Amino acid sequence: EPEVTQTPSHQVTQMGQEVILRCVPISNHLYFYWYRQILGQKVEFLVSFYNNEISEKSEIFDDQFSVERPDGSNFTLKIRSTKLEDSAMYFCASSRATDRYDNQPQHFGDGTRLSIL
Amino acid sequence: GENVEQHPSTLSVQEGDSAVIKCTYSDSASNYFPWYKQELGKGPQLIIDIRSNVGEKKDQRIAVTLNKTAKHFSLHITETQPEDSAVYFCAASRGGADGLTFGKGTHLIIQP
Repeated sequence: EPEVTQTPSHQVTQMGQEVILRCVPISNHLYFYWYRQILGQKVEFLVSFYNNEISEKSEIFDDQFSVERPDGSNFTLKIRSTKLEDSAMYFCASSRATDRYDNQPQHFGDGTRLSIL
Repeated sequence: GENVEQHPSTLSVQEGDSAVIKCTYSDSASNYFPWYKQELGKGPQLIIDIRSNVGEKKDQRIAVTLNKTAKHFSLHITETQPEDSAVYFCAASRGGADGLTFGKGTHLIIQP
């Protein structure tokens, strides 16, 4: 069964450094998402991406965050200047939704644990 | 924005018994309600979902019910097995562009 893959599984970064988290969504999916889960808390939506542009973003997704689809398979989340509070699990998801009103199941990767020192 | 409340936070049941997890949502525009199972070190795995035009859906030992008027939905697991032990999350969404709004999760423990 096709799955979403994320790399690396664990990333340790010094505060203030830039970090890029990588995801390979399911190949025929068109909508991509990033979520984060701070330890012991709920999963929180960051951003959705469709047709090479941001579709929706949450209040968490401020100017230090950016997303990109650099090629036909990868989807990345960049955090420009990391803070201690960015430490969390970051999950990528994809769905075969074809427009903003089309609710289709979102399939999640196993996440990247980001630790900011 | 949407707010999803989930109860209980921990649920311990004897193997073979049923488990019920309940969620409420606040945004009447939400029309899609998935449930995810998360095992240690893994991402959330979709186990069942329901859309607002349906009141109940069943898949083997798992069922979900939706009451749109009361804005609540529930997950029912029958004949629980040890492998059902995990954290379960409910979520709500208005559309494909919108992210899922998750509940805080229920740690389900199946006692042998």
